[in-house]
Amino acid sequence: DQQVKQNSPSLSVQEGRISILNCDYTNSMFDYFLWYKKYPAEGPTFLISISSIKDKNEDGRFTVFLNKSAKHLSLHIVPSQPGDSAVYFCAASAFTQGAQKLVFGQGTRLTINP
Amino acid sequence: NAGVMQNPRHLVRRRGQEARLRCSPMKGHSHVYWYRQLPEEGLKFMVYLQKENIIDESGMPKERFSAEFPKEGPSILRIQQVVRGDSAAYFCASSPSTGGYTEAFFGQGTRLTVV
Repeated sequence: DQQVKQNSPSLSVQEGRISILNCDYTNSMFDYFLWYKKYPAEGPTFLISISSIKDKNEDGRFTVFLNKSAKHLSLHIVPSQPGDSAVYFCAASAFTQGAQKLVFGQGTRLTINP
Repeated sequence: NAGVMQNPRHLVRRRGQEARLRCSPMKGHSHVYWYRQLPEEGLKFMVYLQKENIIDESGMPKERFSAEFPKEGPSILRIQQVVRGDSAAYFCASSPSTGGYTEAFFGQGTRLTVV
């Protein structure tokens, strides 16, 4: 039962262009969403988050959009840089038994081509 | 302020041995999560702990796997009688107990290889 899905295993974008990574979720109890970035042989690092009371959150080159009715979120990176090449995981969160639990998608491998 | 510390970074075990993975959360964090990443797959939730309590272990295999987060010391993920299929990267994350939503911070992971 995959509650958080990233349907694109990989994405290739030219340097300077916009990268758009997508994520869908099924559990309507999720109300906080996060994106993590992961380089090989390292742990995931937090990138940006959004609460369900918002539909957009921006931090520098990174913007996350949330469409609650469609249960869909996306991460936009513009302009894309070679250092953005990594695996990106979206995660969704809900409180369970009074504590926060994070559920991750399968990840999308982003490659930025010079 | 040190981040989440996991050790060892690499662990090799023969089939049938025990593996112990340790995780020290960030200072002030009382929540610990364990995730497993199999080759070419995403992060699979295993267990969620607070100090001395298991909150959610719905992702833990029923046999051979156990986790603890004692009052003092690191969180331990223990795998008994390891098999080749246990070979994976195991990540620990921690978060503070703020009463609201917050991001979790990950360690570098322990790469377990069963030979």
